[in-house]
Amino acid sequence: NAGVTQTPKFRVLKTGQSMTLLCAQDMNHEYMYWYRQDPGMGLRLIHYSVGEGTTAKGEVPDGYNVSRLKKQNFLLGLESAAPSQTSVYFCASSKTSGRANYEQYFGPGTRLTVT
Amino acid sequence: TQLLEQSPQFLSIQEGENLTVYCNSSSVFSSLQWYRQEPGEGPVLLVTVVTGGEVKKLKRLTFQFGDARKDSSLHITAAQTGDTGLYLCAGVTGTASKLTFGTGTRLQVTL
Repeated sequence: NAGVTQTPKFRVLKTGQSMTLLCAQDMNHEYMYWYRQDPGMGLRLIHYSVGEGTTAKGEVPDGYNVSRLKKQNFLLGLESAAPSQTSVYFCASSKTSGRANYEQYFGPGTRLTVT
Repeated sequence: TQLLEQSPQFLSIQEGENLTVYCNSSSVFSSLQWYRQEPGEGPVLLVTVVTGGEVKKLKRLTFQFGDARKDSSLHITAAQTGDTGLYLCAGVTGTASKLTFGTGTRLQVTL
């Protein structure tokens, strides 16, 4: 099993450009998440999905859109990149749980720089 | 917005020393998780604590969940260079296992 994979690993964008980050998981997990990690701020939840065809906003959703057309994939889009979106982006997945205590499995991250 | 403050932010110690990392919040969480993150990688789960007052041990690491389920601590006994990394606490909320991450503690253990 590859676990959670992210594409690309690195990307440099100019202000105003658009791009899509791809996350794929092969663990048949229902839940998937997108986070951004900035120095001194831990990880912050951007958007998440509780199943195929569903998405919901997290803590910092502005400037991002997501889609979950297939259970194994979760896409994060930036329509018009801004320097404030320079960050490391992590995708994660987890099983469903009635107690909501299951481990999240993280991908290796995508380092995005917006100039 | 629920906030989780970790202290200290940075810790540089020598191998063999003991250390404690704290994770504090004004909010109550259904459970709390601790992750460790290596450079260039995503976080990896170390432990989940669920019950107020719970103590869990993982070899040289001891995790405690506060009685009121608002705070937690991670104690490492006789630190080793392999313990070097970024330690993140994360509070679990909601029915979608959403995590609120702490600000992180960067630990460096040297010989």
